[in-house]
Formats: sequence, structure tokens, C-alpha cells
Amino acid sequence: ETGVTQTPRHLVMGMTNKKSLKCEQHLGHNAMYWYKQSAKKPLELMFVYSLEERVENNSVPSRFSPECPNSSHLFLHLHTLQPEDSALYLCASSQDLGVSYGYTFGSGTRLTVV
Amino acid sequence: GDSVTQMEGPVTLSEEACLTINCTYTATGYPSLFWYVQYPGEGLQLLLKATKADDKGSNKGFEATYRKETTSFHLEKGSVQVSDSAVYFCALRSFSGNTPLVFGKGTRLSVIA
Repeated sequence: ETGVTQTPRHLVMGMTNKKSLKCEQHLGHNAMYWYKQSAKKPLELMFVYSLEERVENNSVPSRFSPECPNSSHLFLHLHTLQPEDSALYLCASSQDLGVSYGYTFGSGTRLTVV
Repeated sequence: GDSVTQMEGPVTLSEEACLTINCTYTATGYPSLFWYVQYPGEGLQLLLKATKADDKGSNKGFEATYRKETTSFHLEKGSVQVSDSAVYFCALRSFSGNTPLVFGKGTRLSVIA
């Protein structure tokens, strides 16, 4: 248990569905991140939040919509996804955006779009 | 921009063999350097880090030394175990602004008994 909890662990959804991924951390961290990990591709940073404010959005399609209601929770809302969106979605947190801080990752949500 | 280059995998070793996974980086200024490990079905875990030149990070028998002159941060272990089988990611975090971690593509290690 890393202190960053992601739910669900596995999710299968149709292309017309709407679902949400949840990430929760109780480490007192101020920054949270969403990453996408696809087979045979590098980790892709999707969104960065610091103190509940979005500070980076790496040209992610609008069918992915993040929400950070407080510094302990981060959501990724999904709608009208494509099969190529199937991947492992990883949430991470760090103490701050400072350079020496590493990240603590959750175990990920394995998403399959059918 | 900042980038990390890791040796291509997969790497297959026998138990008790020596391990080296090469990592070089390109960055402005003086980044912090990290190694993460991902076991099957799990997220990434921080393995070790170094925040300035000549620092050596170590954990669980793994070591890596921050070499500014060669812009490298190679991961080493003297004697690997089957339980070390995982994917290893080198990463950096630049000093410029609030930049997030930049990861390498990962190197898969398989250790056979």
C-alpha cells in the first residue's frame, strides 16, 4: 500500500458510456497527476494539479476531463472513449512541485474500451 | 526539451548475475534523477534518487550515481534475484519551473532461477 489509492482497479466500458476514475491520497501531498501507460509506449503525462489548481494539460482530448475537488482527491471523467484509449491509468502525488520531490504512484486502473 | 534515454530491453539474467541498466539524460540546469520500478500489475514505486552531482542513491541492493560529466545515472545491482523481475524507469525532474517528472521508456528485466 503506497498511500495513493485508485479505484476501480479494472474497468471495461463501451464507447458511449460515461465513467469516472478515482484517486485518493492521505499523504498530505499538494500535487497530483494523471498518467497514461500504454503498451510499448512511454508514460504520458495527462494532467497536473497543484493545490487543486490545474497547472498543466498536455493536449489531452476533451473526452478526458479531470476534476480535483480538494488536495486529497483527483478524478478522471471519461466519456465517448475510443478503443485506443485502452491503457493503464496511473495517478501519482508529490509533496509539492519542487524539483527534488519524487512521486508516489497508485496501482492504476486498467481500462478497456470495447 | 528534457529527455531520458534508457537501454532497450528486455534484459534476461540468471539469478545472482550482475545488473547494469544504462540511463543518460538531457536537461537544462541541474535536474534531480530517479529510478522507479514497476512490478507486474502494479503502479510505479520510487526505488532511489539523487539530487546533485556525485550523489549516490541506493535501496534494496540497487545503486546509481549521478554523473554530471557523462549526464548518466546507470542502475546497478551486484546480485539479482528472481523477485527483481520488473520494469525499471529512469526519470528526471528539471530545476526550471514547476516541471513534472520526465520518464524514460522503461527497461524490462527478467531474472531466471
